[in-house]
Amino acid sequence: AQSVTQPDIHITVSEGASLELRCNYSYGATPYLFWYVQSPGQGLQLLLKYFSGDTLVQGIKGFEAEFKRSQSSFNLRKPSVHWSDAAEYFCAVGHILTGGGNKLTFGTGTQLKVEL
Amino acid sequence: KAGVTQTPRYLIKTRGQQVTLSCSPISGHRSVSWYQQTPGQGLQFLFEYFSETQRNKGNFPGRFSGRQFSNSRSEMNVSTLELGDSALYLCASSLVSQSGGYTFGSGTRLTVV
Repeated sequence: AQSVTQPDIHITVSEGASLELRCNYSYGATPYLFWYVQSPGQGLQLLLKYFSGDTLVQGIKGFEAEFKRSQSSFNLRKPSVHWSDAAEYFCAVGHILTGGGNKLTFGTGTQLKVEL
Repeated sequence: KAGVTQTPRYLIKTRGQQVTLSCSPISGHRSVSWYQQTPGQGLQFLFEYFSETQRNKGNFPGRFSGRQFSNSRSEMNVSTLELGDSALYLCASSLVSQSGGYTFGSGTRLTVV
């Protein structure tokens, strides 16, 4: 069965410091991988996605992620965090279902706090 | 272009009642999915609609249902509400395949009292 693990529930970083959020997935085939961000009371905003090709993916707001098949990982990184990055971050794997449709399986999320 | 619109944003209902939530996808997006988000269970897949047909359903009781109209707008319905149905319900739209990613609405916050 497909699953996504985000081992860090909470992370606190200082503004200007670098950030890495971990994500490990379990999926039988080549995965579609996503990172979403959610601010309090809001929906999910897509940061970046990976389907194939270059394993280093660039996203919005200065985020990037690297797909490592050998480690089943898709970690999110940012070289310098801004106070506005404080939010909850979700990693997700997309998969095709037997009915021909798709669905996302999400990790439990990582709450990012940024200290000024 | 306009994003995914969910209405209403907030809703308070009493146990035993039923509720209908609405989702208008991005123009041109034909797939609409629904997710339930709770502190205890996280984000869980409810169902997906494409061209007015439910393609898949998550592990939820039959009290949860939905439909999609010819203009791709979708509604989900929860009957006989329980306290545990209190959640943020998120709608996501996408093109035919998921390669374009999913765009989520801001959600409907349902509180059952």
